[in-house]
Amino acid sequence: DTAVSQTPKYLVTQMGNDKSIKCEQNLGHDTMYWYKQDSKKFLKIMFSYNNKELIINETVPNRFSPKSPDKAHLNLHINSLELGDSAVYFCASSQGLGPGQGVGSGNTIYFGEGSWLTVV
Amino acid sequence: QKEVEQNSGPLSVPEGAIASLNCTYSDRGSQSFFWYRQYSGKSPELIMFIYSNGDKEDGRFTAQLNKASQYVSLLIRDSQPSDSATYLCAVSRDDKIIFGKGTRLHILP
Repeated sequence: DTAVSQTPKYLVTQMGNDKSIKCEQNLGHDTMYWYKQDSKKFLKIMFSYNNKELIINETVPNRFSPKSPDKAHLNLHINSLELGDSAVYFCASSQGLGPGQGVGSGNTIYFGEGSWLTVV
Repeated sequence: QKEVEQNSGPLSVPEGAIASLNCTYSDRGSQSFFWYRQYSGKSPELIMFIYSNGDKEDGRFTAQLNKASQYVSLLIRDSQPSDSATYLCAVSRDDKIIFGKGTRLHILP
């Protein structure tokens, strides 16, 4: 029973297309995230939502739009895909407002399996 | 200065030896510190977290934290081939967690 699940796992699409990646968590967590891991393996946060509200929005092109219909779901929609968008996108979740809450509790984030996006 | 720095490696360690992975961070207000392991083609998975100065042991893994030096490390005793992976150091403050670029560890059989 997967805790954080995201679909699709692999996605190959042409430049200019619009695509979505879906994410669901069954851990009862309050906060969900989207991370991008590029070809150099650098894992960088894009967005985080707490109880459907946006709390972190890093410098990301506005072609990327997260949508959280409820606290168990956080989808990522990407418009006008570009070659540089090719990466692995990880959905993640954590309890409370995020990892820093409850110092000492080890409140950390749990990742989904990743979605490999290739733009050609 | 990068927020979380790690040597990218690869770090090659003979099987059975101790692997030592290091990480430095720039934000003195950082509160919790994590080590994640990521196998090629897989998602990161949490190995350990630490928040107090000193050592924390869990099986073959020991995390060490020195807040004065802004330094955190991970020791892996009796290294196994299955330990070959990329190890990501992560540091959190408030509602944000920042990852390092990871160190590739290769255990030599």
